[in-house]
Amino acid sequence: QSALTQPPSASGSLGQSITISCTGTSSDVGGYNYVSWYQQHPGKAPKLIIYEVTKRPSGVPDRFSGSKSGNTASLTVSGLQAEDEGDYYCSSYAGSNNFVVFGGGTKLTVL
Amino acid sequence: QITLKESGPTLVKPTQTLTLTCTFSGFSLSTSGVGVGWIRQPPGKALEWFALIYWDDDKRYNPSLKSRLTITKVTSKNQVVFTMTNMDPVDTATYYCAHFSIVGDPTYAFDIWGPGTMVTVSS
Repeated sequence: QSALTQPPSASGSLGQSITISCTGTSSDVGGYNYVSWYQQHPGKAPKLIIYEVTKRPSGVPDRFSGSKSGNTASLTVSGLQAEDEGDYYCSSYAGSNNFVVFGGGTKLTVL
Repeated sequence: QITLKESGPTLVKPTQTLTLTCTFSGFSLSTSGVGVGWIRQPPGKALEWFALIYWDDDKRYNPSLKSRLTITKVTSKNQVVFTMTNMDPVDTATYYCAHFSIVGDPTYAFDIWGPGTMVTVSS
């Protein structure tokens, strides 16, 4: 059982927007502004797409955005494209003992 | 350009010790704020962080695996090595190493990952 809770699946049509939630506790998501999101395509290593809740690394399209409210973080993908299909994982810093925790992952299907 | 690559055995027997090496380039583990972490992913399952070492040799371990883990760095060779004792079939997974930093941009995220190496635990 993963420390952070994500829906196992999500779907949307081309061009639409979807939001994936990531629920933790006050010891991780709610306690630090260090939530990150990773995109993973089959057989590939994860790729960082959001860090520090809302920031995008260079090269990541602005269709990807992040937010947080309380113990729940969210990833929104706007203008869905076929290449957005894949698995998405959230992660949060959880203090010096637990350090980093991941969510169980959400499989995004683009219809 | 930062790159990392994992290397080590692809098959280990139950109860054996796994040793994997992460060889990296494009950064130095003697630079303040920098770290290298290890994350694993069983087939079809989620990511799980389990170890990280900082530039100053500070180490962090997943509490659920801490008793089985050791992480070390060889700064001169740009390598990080971890060992996991008493391997079990449930430890079958793809093992990734990744760059991490607490300064600069981005912070507190694994921003660059190696391609991963699949390790199977079976007799």
